[in-house]
Amino acid sequence: DQQVKQNSPSLSVQEGRISILNCDYTNSMFDYFLWYKKYPAEGPTFLISISSIKDKNEDGRFTVFLNKSAKHLSLHIVPSQPGDSAVYFCAASVGGTYKYIFGTGTRLKVLA
Amino acid sequence: EPEVTQTPSHQVTQMGQEVILRCVPISNHLYFYWYRQILGQKVEFLVSFYNNEISEKSEIFDDQFSVERPDGSNFTLKIRSTKLEDSAMYFCASRGARGVRSTGELFFGEGSRLTVL
Repeated sequence: DQQVKQNSPSLSVQEGRISILNCDYTNSMFDYFLWYKKYPAEGPTFLISISSIKDKNEDGRFTVFLNKSAKHLSLHIVPSQPGDSAVYFCAASVGGTYKYIFGTGTRLKVLA
Repeated sequence: EPEVTQTPSHQVTQMGQEVILRCVPISNHLYFYWYRQILGQKVEFLVSFYNNEISEKSEIFDDQFSVERPDGSNFTLKIRSTKLEDSAMYFCASRGARGVRSTGELFFGEGSRLTVL
């Protein structure tokens, strides 16, 4: 039962260009979405979040877009930098519960 | 900046042995979690803990697993009798309440790698 899916296991982008990471979800009760970045042998690091009452949230180079009708969210990184190379996870939670469900991750490689 | 700390960073154990993984969450956080990641796979929810009791647990979190907050600062995960398939990276996380000052994101520790032989 994969409630949060990241269908692209990997993505390569040239430095300076835009990286777009995608995430789909199936549970319409999710009301809060987050993106995490993970380097090997480290814990996930929070990047940006969005509440289901919004459709966009921006923080510096990172923007998250939420399309509730399509049950889809995306993370845009612009401009991409080599230090952005990592695995990116989207996560979602249902209000009133304590559980955050993670997607399978997308490995981003930013080429110099 | 406050952080979640975990010990040990790596533990090797024999199948059938008991293991305790320790975590010190961020001091003013109220919600505590354990997740695990088997090599190359997704980050999987194990258990959440609030107000000194388990609030939710996954199917993975069977009778072999238990959690405890023994002294108000540490948060431990115990595996009573380890199996080969318990080999994974175990992440502790904590969060504050969602509100004006917090978006309620989880803060993760660096992880404890468990290898069961």
